[in-house]
Amino acid sequence: DSGVTQTPKHLITATGQRVTLRCSPRSGDLSVYWYQQSLDQGLQFLIQYYNGEERAKGNILERFSAQQFPDLHSELNLSSLELGDSALYFCASSATGTPREYEQYFGPGTRLTVT
Amino acid sequence: AQSVAQPEDQVNVAEGNPLTVKCTYSVSGNPYLFWYVQYPNRGLQFLLKYITGDNLVKGSYGFEAEFNKSQTSFHLKKPSALVSDSALYFCAVRDKAAGNKLTFGGGTRVLVKP
Repeated sequence: DSGVTQTPKHLITATGQRVTLRCSPRSGDLSVYWYQQSLDQGLQFLIQYYNGEERAKGNILERFSAQQFPDLHSELNLSSLELGDSALYFCASSATGTPREYEQYFGPGTRLTVT
Repeated sequence: AQSVAQPEDQVNVAEGNPLTVKCTYSVSGNPYLFWYVQYPNRGLQFLLKYITGDNLVKGSYGFEAEFNKSQTSFHLKKPSALVSDSALYFCAVRDKAAGNKLTFGGGTRVLVKP
């Protein structure tokens, strides 16, 4: 168990809908990362937050947005869903200012199926 | 841009034999390299990292990796594979220009046969 939790585990929804994925980082970790894993694109970085502020952005679609709250949990919002958004979405967290700060610990993922 | 490549989609090995999973990298500056393992229906688990120091890095579950600067490689190794090592393995590199984001290779599926 990495200490990173994600809810829900599975999500089935229809095209055009909007969903919210939630992540709680390991205790004390200030950085949260979101990744998408799909068969055709592999593992892709979406976005990073550090202590509530956006730190880095990857190939994240404009239909997708994220935020990190004062209690450090993060949410990834996906809107106007398309079939191609079906994927496994991972959240990861990392510490800062420690010898392990470059190690990212991943949650179990949320499997999104768009029908 | 930082990148890693895993040239083998799948590696088959008999239980008890040595296991090697290959990774090559392309980075500017000194690389920060990682190996992760993914079991079915699970998240990625951190195995080991290379940042600086000894070229041979020891990690979890008996895995180790050898950093080779001249060959720009970071191969994952285990002296004696177990059936339970069957999983998907990812090599990754930290992109210092973009926070601490990880760029992953395409993954190598390892199948250890009894």
